[in-house]
Amino acid sequence: RKEVEQDPGPFNVPEGATVAFNCTYSNSASQSFFWYRQDCRKEPKLLMSVYSSGNEDGRFTAQLNRASQYISLLIRDSKLSDSATYLCVVNPGNQFYFGTGTSLTVIP
Amino acid sequence: ETGVTQTPRHLVMGMTNKKSLKCEQHLGHNAMYWYKQSAKKPLELMFVYSLEERVENNSVPSRFSPECPNSSHLFLHLHTLQPEDSALYLCASSQVLAGGLGTAQETQYFGPGTRLLVL
Repeated sequence: RKEVEQDPGPFNVPEGATVAFNCTYSNSASQSFFWYRQDCRKEPKLLMSVYSSGNEDGRFTAQLNRASQYISLLIRDSKLSDSATYLCVVNPGNQFYFGTGTSLTVIP
Repeated sequence: ETGVTQTPRHLVMGMTNKKSLKCEQHLGHNAMYWYKQSAKKPLELMFVYSLEERVENNSVPSRFSPECPNSSHLFLHLHTLQPEDSALYLCASSQVLAGGLGTAQETQYFGPGTRLLVL
């Protein structure tokens, strides 16, 4: 079983739409969770950490469900500039495990 | 952003060549990483240098050889590579807690990567 699994998409949504990504992880002892964003032919960049109580940063909301072992990312009012691949990252304490990423294209 | 720099950005090499990738971090971190990113696959951790530890993914072939002379610099020496080694090689750094790699770590920051093509 993979450490981290994501729906690869692609998700094609119109501007202004709300879109949600889910990610499941296999190690129940995982301690740290992150969403990274990767633009085409660029390096991954931290979008936001995911805290147990859930957290919000502008149009982005991250949630953690430890019982079901998944994390989610909600993007409201999508912008063209949100088009990218979103990587789910989980750290059970010894190393970072990356998902394959979910591709998002926001359409005018 | 110049927190983590990598050179060269692009590299084309033959299977008999020897080359080295360089990474430098300016963030004061104490851990550095090499990752391989191939198309349609998740980032694959190759090597970690942290505090006094070196951790390596046992599936990485010996034709990849890391070197970490200090906490700010990391090299990946390449020799007799295969075409399937063509990928984006990413360096990252982070701040590891005093307990070492077994404890939860802070965020990783990535360099721009070296896009490698092996002919």
